[in-house]
Amino acid sequence: DQQVKQNSPSLSVQEGRISILNCDYTNSMFDYFLWYKKYPAEGPTFLISISSIKDKNEDGRFTVFLNKSAKHLSLHIVPSQPGDSAVYFCAASAKNTGTASKLTFGTGTRLQVTL
Amino acid sequence: DAGVTQSPTHLIKTRGQHVTLRCSPISGHKSVSWYQQVLGQGPQFIFQYYEKEERGRGNFPDRFSARQFPNYSSELNVNALLLGDSALYLCASSVDRRHEKLFFGSGTQLSVL
Repeated sequence: DQQVKQNSPSLSVQEGRISILNCDYTNSMFDYFLWYKKYPAEGPTFLISISSIKDKNEDGRFTVFLNKSAKHLSLHIVPSQPGDSAVYFCAASAKNTGTASKLTFGTGTRLQVTL
Repeated sequence: DAGVTQSPTHLIKTRGQHVTLRCSPISGHKSVSWYQQVLGQGPQFIFQYYEKEERGRGNFPDRFSARQFPNYSSELNVNALLLGDSALYLCASSVDRRHEKLFFGSGTQLSVL
């Protein structure tokens, strides 16, 4: 049962354009969402997060949008840069699990930013 | 400050053997979590340890066990290895168990032959 879904395994975007990565979830108990970036041979690196009480959070070139009614979140990267090429994971946490550190991850989207 | 460190980086074992993976959290972090990442999938939660006690466990068999030491470092043990245990094992630390923001190490790539 995949509770966090990233339906696009890959995405290619031109440098300078907007990258939009999508994520859907099914568990209504999720109340905190995170995006991680992963380069080959490295561990995931935290990028940005959002609490379920908000619908938008912005940090520099990165913005995360949350639509609770649709159980959907998206990550916008503007402008996209070649160094953004990596695998992006969406993750979610639920307070009712007893530990906030139990993150449920999606399967990832590989972003390639071309020149 | 050093990030989360894991050892070894790579490991090759045969079926039925036992393996121990090690993790040192970021200084000041008291919570350590373990994740398994199979190729093509996202990381999957195995354990969380906080103050040397297990605080959460994912859907993994009893062959998987872990512990946390007084200095907050941690070991993950897997007994009776199966081919399906081949994966990247990631350790993550956080300030405490109430925090969702995890800092990951580079992982240990385990291959079971």
